[in-house]
Amino acid sequence: SQKIEQNSEALNIQEGKTATLTCNYTNYSPAYLQWYRQDPGRGPVFLLLIRENEKEKRKERLKVTFDTTLKQSLFHITASQPADSATYLCALAAYSSASKIIFGSGTRLSIRP
Amino acid sequence: DAGVIQSPRHEVTEMGQEVTLRCKPISGHDYLFWYRQTMMRGLELLIYFNNNVPIDDSGMPEDRFSAKMPNASFSTLKIQPSEPRDSAVYFCASSNMRDLRQGARGELFFGEGSRLTVL
Repeated sequence: SQKIEQNSEALNIQEGKTATLTCNYTNYSPAYLQWYRQDPGRGPVFLLLIRENEKEKRKERLKVTFDTTLKQSLFHITASQPADSATYLCALAAYSSASKIIFGSGTRLSIRP
Repeated sequence: DAGVIQSPRHEVTEMGQEVTLRCKPISGHDYLFWYRQTMMRGLELLIYFNNNVPIDDSGMPEDRFSAKMPNASFSTLKIQPSEPRDSAVYFCASSNMRDLRQGARGELFFGEGSRLTVL
């Protein structure tokens, strides 16, 4: 069956360090992968999209990589700040149905001052 | 634009009662999604629509759940009868996916959610 796994339920790091979150998938041929941020009591907010033919995408302090051989995406936040503390969700859309977007369970990131 | 609007924000009801959740998507978006979020199961896709037509309802838990989209600016998710295990936050999201192949991001815009508690 198709699975999307975000390996760390929670991640705690020191301010200023780089946070790296992992998203693994099985039994998917993804057309693209997205990352979202969710704050407590709010809906998820889109951050980045990376397509299956792209290796890396950057946006300000954010970087996403996509390795279709390893079936993995890494999400990096450089120079992390306490304001980056939130839950981060990866989401996949398969080629077979590019509009059907399925989410991983999320990683709760805490940045301590 | 006001974004995706969901109502009610909070609903507390008793087991066996009918629950109706409402969603107004962003104007011009061609896709509408209903998700359910719990601590145990994360964010689950229940059903999604394209141009008001249901495309995939394989995530709807059982026949007690139904969803409609009578027009481009309104959708409902109904649970009848409700059960305690239906307690969750229900999110509606909309998207413009017309230009996905031309490089558009296909991002989902989420509402603030409807927190349902069934006693």
